[in-house]
Amino acid sequence: EVQLVDSGGGLVQPGGSLRLSCAASGFTFSSYEMNWVRQAPGKGLEWVSYISSSGSTIYYADSVKGRFTISRDNAKNSLYLQMNSLRAEDTAVYYCAGQLFDWFDPWGQGALVTVSS
Amino acid sequence: AIQLTQSPSSLSASVRDRVTITCRASQGISSALAWYQQKPGKAPKLLIYDASRLDSGVPSRFSGSGSGTEFTLTISSLQPEDFATYYCQQFNSYPLTFGGGTKVEIK
Repeated sequence: EVQLVDSGGGLVQPGGSLRLSCAASGFTFSSYEMNWVRQAPGKGLEWVSYISSSGSTIYYADSVKGRFTISRDNAKNSLYLQMNSLRAEDTAVYYCAGQLFDWFDPWGQGALVTVSS
Repeated sequence: AIQLTQSPSSLSASVRDRVTITCRASQGISSALAWYQQKPGKAPKLLIYDASRLDSGVPSRFSGSGSGTEFTLTISSLQPEDFATYYCQQFNSYPLTFGGGTKVEIK
């Protein structure tokens, strides 16, 4: 079964750090480009970051540039998002999403990140 | 960044109604557009890619059309399981962007 499992979410204070993980199974992870997408409570979808299949090309949304770092370990079939200097406006459900061509599929189930004191 | 404007932001419809959702891009994006369906508490699900290609397993009552700056998602006969929020997404250039969403509710 093709599956992405997001983990690592939780409650963190403003200015704190958190690392999200996304574990892939059932498909050739190393062939997929990967992304993180987030959704604030009651809001729409926001693309956060992209990493190419080899990890050589990376993009970020302006809202997280300089604070978040995307990475991957193809040997472990895993994607990561290191989030530093977290703000209240980073509170959201974070989804990892695979990309072969110009669409996102599959998606993880999401990990809730709450930034609050 | 390319902005995607979806309309309407919400609609009420009955089972078996025909529903059309529009997504307008702030600049031309060829056919680099996907549509997703999201139900509460769940991850988005891919419906259509390349503006008009139906993903495997998606019912044929869903269809997509358009290119350039104007795109539509049509549900030919709304079913109870179709009540959800729908998003468009462009892949023409980074940053990738989503439309604001269209919530389809039961009339």
